[in-house]
Amino acid sequence: SQQGEEDPQALSIQEGENATMNCSYKTSINNLQWYRQNSGRGLVHLILIRSNEREKHSGRLRVTLDTSKKSSSLLITASRAADTASYFCAPTPGGGNKLTFGTGTQLKVEL
Amino acid sequence: EAQVTQNPRYLITVTGKKLTVTCSQNMNHEYMSWYRQDPGLGLRQIYYSMNVEVTDKGDVPEGYKVSRKEKRNFPLILESPSPNQTSLYFCASKQGALEDGYTFGSGTRLTVV
Repeated sequence: SQQGEEDPQALSIQEGENATMNCSYKTSINNLQWYRQNSGRGLVHLILIRSNEREKHSGRLRVTLDTSKKSSSLLITASRAADTASYFCAPTPGGGNKLTFGTGTQLKVEL
Repeated sequence: EAQVTQNPRYLITVTGKKLTVTCSQNMNHEYMSWYRQDPGLGLRQIYYSMNVEVTDKGDVPEGYKVSRKEKRNFPLILESPSPNQTSLYFCASKQGALEDGYTFGSGTRLTVV
């Protein structure tokens, strides 16, 4: 099944810095979604980028997609302590609704 | 408020004692899914349902059953729980379109002793 692999596994930055996390996948997709998970809680949908889009913005989030490299990145600008969470990418295959998640990137934003 | 409600939030049970984790959504979503989350393994899909009476196996269905008799409910049944089913479980739902995001429940932490 299609599964995104997030990189790095863990990231620690200071408040105000930018955080970048990457996602790689293996087969063609219809879209790619990013989710956030606060410790032990359910995932929250952040942003979706279609396969024919290269970049998308939502508030402090910027997502890029390179289908030729089968990769995506999530940039959080001017990070805050409240951004501390795990972030997951979910590549959505063209054939259906099945979303598969990887192990995520654990982001820690320190004051 | 639009939400996915799972119950119970925490459950400790003994090996072999049948249990059901309930999941209900109030958004009239067509698509529902169960995941388990384990350290180092990420989220793995157990079962999913594309509509009433339509269910299919995910990546790790062994030891689990589901049913979808009504659109809003998608219970997860463990007929004979074993310790390797100790995990954090999430129910999620979405509208049918490919571009819809999932709404997740708050999770059920299950311990099987």
